[in-house]
Amino acid sequence: DTAVSQTPKYLVTQMGNDKSIKCEQNLGHDTMYWYKQDSKKFLKIMFSYNNKELIINETVPNRFSPKSPDKAHLNLHINSLELGDSAVYFCASSQGSQETQYFGPGTRLLVL
Amino acid sequence: AQSVTQPDIHITVSEGASLELRCNYSYGATPYLFWYVQSPGQGLQLLLKYFSGDTLVQGIKGFEAEFKRSQSSFNLRKPSVHWSDAAEYFCAVGARGFSGGYNKLIFGAGTRLAVHP
Repeated sequence: DTAVSQTPKYLVTQMGNDKSIKCEQNLGHDTMYWYKQDSKKFLKIMFSYNNKELIINETVPNRFSPKSPDKAHLNLHINSLELGDSAVYFCASSQGSQETQYFGPGTRLLVL
Repeated sequence: AQSVTQPDIHITVSEGASLELRCNYSYGATPYLFWYVQSPGQGLQLLLKYFSGDTLVQGIKGFEAEFKRSQSSFNLRKPSVHWSDAAEYFCAVGARGFSGGYNKLIFGAGTRLAVHP
């Protein structure tokens, strides 16, 4: 009965590859987010979707493309991976904009 | 610009001692404020939040925080720390956006708490 789940949990890949991270929430929320946590533990918003529509894109390189097939899913596709993309990526969800954001367990991406 | 400052990068306390983690924010309006905890290798868990009303808020695991508008602070406290409280603690402010609520969280850099037996 996991609320916000992410797959995979760990991802090790080579520079230049393309990879996807999936996020699913079973809370019935209509807003989902992607955050990036760098090696110094700093967390920063990347994207936010409300009812499958993009509402925030925080100057993220266009190699990153989020896709929301429905309100319960928000996937993150990354093209041409670079060393600097190594980080922990967290998905979160909330009901609208006035409620708590609930976070997934994170996906640890290592680019070699 | 909106920002959150957690002045203490590392804090070490003895088990049973009291704890206060500092958080200062910069925000033009009344903020939504949060404290999250991240255990090693884990995701973020909400400890408590302040949206409005009583400025002293109670959270899970015996934590509380007090919103002080005059000091732009939202410090987290616990009267007696347990070894299992060792983790990374993040303060965050909800930046206002669509529908009158907030549409993203702006996080501080985190405070790593170590607990000595």
